[in-house]
Amino acid sequence: GAVVSQHPSRVICKSGTSVKIECRSLDFQATTMFWYRQFPKKSLMLMATSNEGSKATYEQGVEKDKFLINHASLTLSTLTVTSAHPEDSSFYICSAPKVAGISQETQYFGPGTRLLVL
Amino acid sequence: GESVGLHLPTLSVQEGDNSIINCAYSNSASDYFIWYKQESGKGPQFIIDIRSNMDKRQGQRVTVLLNKTVKHLSLQIAATQPGDSAVYFCAETLYNQGGKLIFGQGTELSVKP
Repeated sequence: GAVVSQHPSRVICKSGTSVKIECRSLDFQATTMFWYRQFPKKSLMLMATSNEGSKATYEQGVEKDKFLINHASLTLSTLTVTSAHPEDSSFYICSAPKVAGISQETQYFGPGTRLLVL
Repeated sequence: GESVGLHLPTLSVQEGDNSIINCAYSNSASDYFIWYKQESGKGPQFIIDIRSNMDKRQGQRVTVLLNKTVKHLSLQIAATQPGDSAVYFCAETLYNQGGKLIFGQGTELSVKP
């Protein structure tokens, strides 16, 4: 199957600093990628849709100035958590859809990035 | 639907038994549904999917049932194994629209050897 990677897998940072998380589709191109956030023992919450070459689309309640998304190429989307605070500590997961054939599309998920803000 | 504020329900089964995990979805317009398995500290892994023009689909040891009338999905795992222990999520979306997935609240499956 297709592979989506994330980097870093874990990051610990001080409050007030910014953290960049990368999401890459390794063997296919993705004009769209999705970013999710997951708290312990909870479900995945969609944060935003990352669009190659244009602005990201944010879900209601997600601060676009807090979570900056850049989709600079067909294989890379980045999520930057700006001025991180302890409440931003979470598991961040990206996904990318891969089209296989005329009418089948499958979402592939990255392994996630664990962010801890001290 | 979305699961803000809800804690994961749990299901504990004996190895070899069948497991049934249920999910209610929120959007009547959703026409594509997927079950994912998530192990601790990892991203979701695709298990099986179903489109709204079907009410049942079978895979290897897994079966998904869809009841559109009551907006309900279930995942049946036959002969559950310890390696099946994980959190299982259903997700809904619009088929082939490059669409975003809306995840259900998830169920934690624990398999006792």
